[in-house]
Amino acid sequence: QVQLQESGPGLVKPSETLSLTCTVSGGSISSYYWSWIRQPPGKGLEWIGYIHYSGDTVYNPSLKSRVTISLDTSKNQFSLKLRSVTAADTAIYYCARGDSRTSLHFDPWGQGTLVTVSS
Amino acid sequence: QSALTQPASVSGSPGQSITISCTGTSSDVGGYNYVSWYQQHPGKAPKLMIYEVSNRPSGVSNRFSGSKSGNTASLTISGLQVEDEADYYCSSYTSSSTSQVLFGGGTKLTVL
Repeated sequence: QVQLQESGPGLVKPSETLSLTCTVSGGSISSYYWSWIRQPPGKGLEWIGYIHYSGDTVYNPSLKSRVTISLDTSKNQFSLKLRSVTAADTAIYYCARGDSRTSLHFDPWGQGTLVTVSS
Repeated sequence: QSALTQPASVSGSPGQSITISCTGTSSDVGGYNYVSWYQQHPGKAPKLMIYEVSNRPSGVSNRFSGSKSGNTASLTISGLQVEDEADYYCSSYTSSSTSQVLFGGGTKLTVL
């Protein structure tokens, strides 16, 4: 069965760029939508955006100016870059597979990785 | 951006049924049948329990069911079990400019 695993630095300095990678195993990255979702400690979920295997992307408008999601089909990975981070970007970041038809529900999810923004 | 509205907490005893509500607007919950529900145990990733209002993924117990009326969606858990104690989040497609996917603020379910 498909499994997702996030990787990347756990600490990022303010104003720098947060970079995370999600590795997909047990299945192909083709034919689905691939999303990033975050959760500030003790708070609710926020959808960041998705990339389709065709390369099309859709981002949360509140983050759109700072976000890039990309795909590497040769490595079965997709990545998140969030620029100009502040303490408000401190969160657990999850990667998740979106439904192949609609992109609008997410299953499975990665285990999540905590990224702290601090100097 | 406004999240969907969920009660902060609900509780029930083993064997009972509970319902968690998720209220939005005609631009999201009320306008589309793209409501999903997720279960999150402490320190774990969310798990999809219901999609497209009332569909259960393979492997999810039939004790979990979803419905929608107007701008409010509901998750019902029947025959409560201790392991159902978790946080539950709803999500919905939204046609507003704020986001494509909105989540609710989450509901803490306590099984007494």
